[in-house]
Amino acid sequence: NAGVTQTPKFQVLKTGQSMTLQCAQDMNHEYMSWYRQDPGMGLRLIHYSVGAGITDQGEVPNGYNVSRSTTEDFPLRLLSAAPSQTSVYFCASSYSRTGNSPLHFGNGTRLTVT
Amino acid sequence: KNEVEQSPQNLTAQEGEFITINCSYSVGISALHWLQQHPGGGIVSLFMLSSGKKKHGRLIATINIQEKHSSLHITASHPRDSAVYICAVSYNTDKLIFGTGTRLQVFP
Repeated sequence: NAGVTQTPKFQVLKTGQSMTLQCAQDMNHEYMSWYRQDPGMGLRLIHYSVGAGITDQGEVPNGYNVSRSTTEDFPLRLLSAAPSQTSVYFCASSYSRTGNSPLHFGNGTRLTVT
Repeated sequence: KNEVEQSPQNLTAQEGEFITINCSYSVGISALHWLQQHPGGGIVSLFMLSSGKKKHGRLIATINIQEKHSSLHITASHPRDSAVYICAVSYNTDKLIFGTGTRLQVFP
């Protein structure tokens, strides 16, 4: 099993550019989520989904967009990149909602916005 | 103030030492997770628990619901245990709250 596949691993953007971070899982997990990790701070939830067609905002959703058209895929879109979005991004999935089952993480995307 | 507090922030140990990492949270939870983040950046789930104690190899996780506290113990530590250990809690919602992590370095 591939688990959670996240691409790209590294990305450099200029301010104002847009891009999509891809996330796919092959475990038939209902719950998928996106986090950002910044120095000195815990992982913070950006957006999450409890099933295909259902998404909701997390703690820091501004500047990001998501969709969940299939169970497998949960892309994260940066609409107009800003330097404050320089961070490491992680996608994660779990069989059910986070309190009840372990999380499986992708390998992360290091994004730099200049 | 973070709803999830970890201590210590940094920890160094000699190979073979017994390690304890602590996690405190503020209100009742439905589950607590311990995660490990290796220097390469990948994050893996070590334990998920809502009561009692779990053991996997040299790792032991305990939780005290009344005291709102959990500990992660590593017995006979090894340099390959060097990583950041992260505690996260679920307050019976779809969202996890993460601690800032404990950076562990084990020297041979």
